[in-house]
Amino acid sequence: NAGVTQTPKFRVLKTGQSMTLLCAQDMNHEYMYWYRQDPGMGLRLIHYSVGEGTTAKGEVPDGYNVSRLKKQNFLLGLESAAPSQTSVYFCASRTGRGEAFFGQGTRLTVV
Amino acid sequence: AQTVTQSQPEMSVQEAETVTLSCTYDTSENNYYLFWYKQPPSRQMILVIRQEAYKQQNATENRFSVNFQKAAKSFSLKISDSQLGDTAMYFCAFRGSGANSKLTFGKGITLSVRP
Repeated sequence: NAGVTQTPKFRVLKTGQSMTLLCAQDMNHEYMYWYRQDPGMGLRLIHYSVGEGTTAKGEVPDGYNVSRLKKQNFLLGLESAAPSQTSVYFCASRTGRGEAFFGQGTRLTVV
Repeated sequence: AQTVTQSQPEMSVQEAETVTLSCTYDTSENNYYLFWYKQPPSRQMILVIRQEAYKQQNATENRFSVNFQKAAKSFSLKISDSQLGDTAMYFCAFRGSGANSKLTFGKGITLSVRP
């Protein structure tokens, strides 16, 4: 049972480049989330989804887009990367009772 | 909007001793869920313990227990018999009871266990 898998695990981008982070879960969870983790800031919610075909903005959505075309996948896109988007990104999915399962994280550096 | 506050950025404890990590939250909801997550150097987020607000009994998982004070909106984590493997960052998190409620995290606390 793989749980929540994020790809890639590491990436270096140049300013202005675009990329997509993929999150895949095999637990049939309805709810999926993208967070970013920065030193001293904890985990801040970027976007989330309450089911296939739905997405919503979180606390820090600017500069990111998401899609949930299939229930098991939640994609996070950066259209034009900026140095301020250098961070560790976590995907999570959860059961109806609220326990969240996390991926291993993606360390993204924008130079 | 709900907020979660962890006011201590760092703590240190001697191996085999007990340490308490503090967390407060703010909400207008009556029913909700509270969590403590551990993040070791491997970066993986691991659920340590959860508490449902409608349950009066404090949750316990082996060496980990919570002191849940609903009226004070306080949710502290006690680690007994601290082990070197407990060295990690610990995050307190809140989720409302609504189906679409978001999971909100505190800023975290870095715990170091000294040999």
